[in-house]
Amino acid sequence: AQKVTQAQTEISVVEKEDVTLDCVYETRDTTYYLFWYKQPPSGELVFLIRRNSFDEQNEISGRYSWNFQKSTSSFNFTITASQVVDSAVYFCALLNFGNEKLTFGTGTRLTIIP
Amino acid sequence: NAGVMQNPRHLVRRRGQEARLRCSPMKGHSHVYWYRQLPEEGLKFMVYLQKENIIDESGMPKERFSAEFPKEGPSILRIQQVVRGDSAAYFCASSRMGGQGNTIYFGEGSWLTVV
Repeated sequence: AQKVTQAQTEISVVEKEDVTLDCVYETRDTTYYLFWYKQPPSGELVFLIRRNSFDEQNEISGRYSWNFQKSTSSFNFTITASQVVDSAVYFCALLNFGNEKLTFGTGTRLTIIP
Repeated sequence: NAGVMQNPRHLVRRRGQEARLRCSPMKGHSHVYWYRQLPEEGLKFMVYLQKENIIDESGMPKERFSAEFPKEGPSILRIQQVVRGDSAAYFCASSRMGGQGNTIYFGEGSWLTVV
């Protein structure tokens, strides 16, 4: 069975602060894929990143960075110098090998205070 | 948004009516998924389809719900005799060749309200 835990239900930070969203996953598979999606107030789901289990390199994309640690089954997401436009619900998701069902965490609602 | 088109964006139905939600995958994508987001719950998988085939419908309620992805035209999620508990956001997603090693892109969602 697979599971994704986003323990932080809601986070509020002041604009320009850095913030890290936690994601812990459980799976018995050795091959799997991890995703992050953003759901802004308008409601759509925006793809942010996909990571394969065999690639533990951290990734940086502008103000966004991801820290993948297989040893702790975590795939955390950091936003540096946060902006009001970053306010959204962020979902972490897991896709096991040979399976086409994404398992989502319950999401973290991030509010950036101007 | 990566180009998965869903319509309608918002739909209101009375109890007992039918709801039809449409999804056009991204260009070049032949794999379609439907997910449901209930209030205060996360996103849950419903069904996975390829052209003219339902591959995995393990997340679909046993009754009143059906999905198709015909050879021509959009994928359709159909809910018959809607009840209040069907009120939710329904998201369609697509991928080029399945999620194994490929990105899964979502649409903007269709918000169903049953009154």
